[in-house]
Amino acid sequence: DTAVSQTPKYLVTQMGNDKSIKCEQNLGHDTMYWYKQDSKKFLKIMFSYNNKELIINETVPNRFSPKSPDKAHLNLHINSLELGDSAVYFCASSPKRGLGIYNEQFFGPGTRLTVL
Amino acid sequence: GIQVEQSPPDLILQEGANSTLRCNFSDSVNNLQWFHQNPWGQLINLFYIPSGTKQNGRLSATTVATERYSLLYISSSQTTDSGVYFCAVMRSGTYKYIFGTGTRLKVLA
Repeated sequence: DTAVSQTPKYLVTQMGNDKSIKCEQNLGHDTMYWYKQDSKKFLKIMFSYNNKELIINETVPNRFSPKSPDKAHLNLHINSLELGDSAVYFCASSPKRGLGIYNEQFFGPGTRLTVL
Repeated sequence: GIQVEQSPPDLILQEGANSTLRCNFSDSVNNLQWFHQNPWGQLINLFYIPSGTKQNGRLSATTVATERYSLLYISSSQTTDSGVYFCAVMRSGTYKYIFGTGTRLKVLA
């Protein structure tokens, strides 16, 4: 009965490869997010989808492409992986968009990506 | 954009001690959360607290939105409290949370 789940938990790959990380939430939330946590533990938002619509797209290289097939799923595909992409990637979900509405986020367990 | 500063950056406590962690933010917010990232990397929700005071066991939090800060109190700390504590805020009129740089807490037995 995991609320927000991610697969895989660990991903080790070579530079130049393409990989995907999957996220699913069973909370019935409308909004989902991808965050990147670097080696210094700094958490930065990358993307956000609300009901399958992209609403936040930070300055992320276009090698990163999110896809939301339905509001319970948000996947992250990364092309031509680079050493600097090594990080922990977290998926999160929240009930509503912002703008004054209750918007508590819940996080998945994270995916540790290591690019060799 | 909004700036979120947390203090202190690092904190070492003996088991049983109390502590106060602070989060200052530079603009008005309508959502604010505190998280604990445990040594295994899991982000655990502690409080959703855009204003007011809440308590949950040994932890409590207070947000004074008009003065742009929030405090997290940990009483009678335990070794399992070790980890990094993050404050995250969502500026009014936006859709995204901005995280502070965290307070790294170590509780010694």
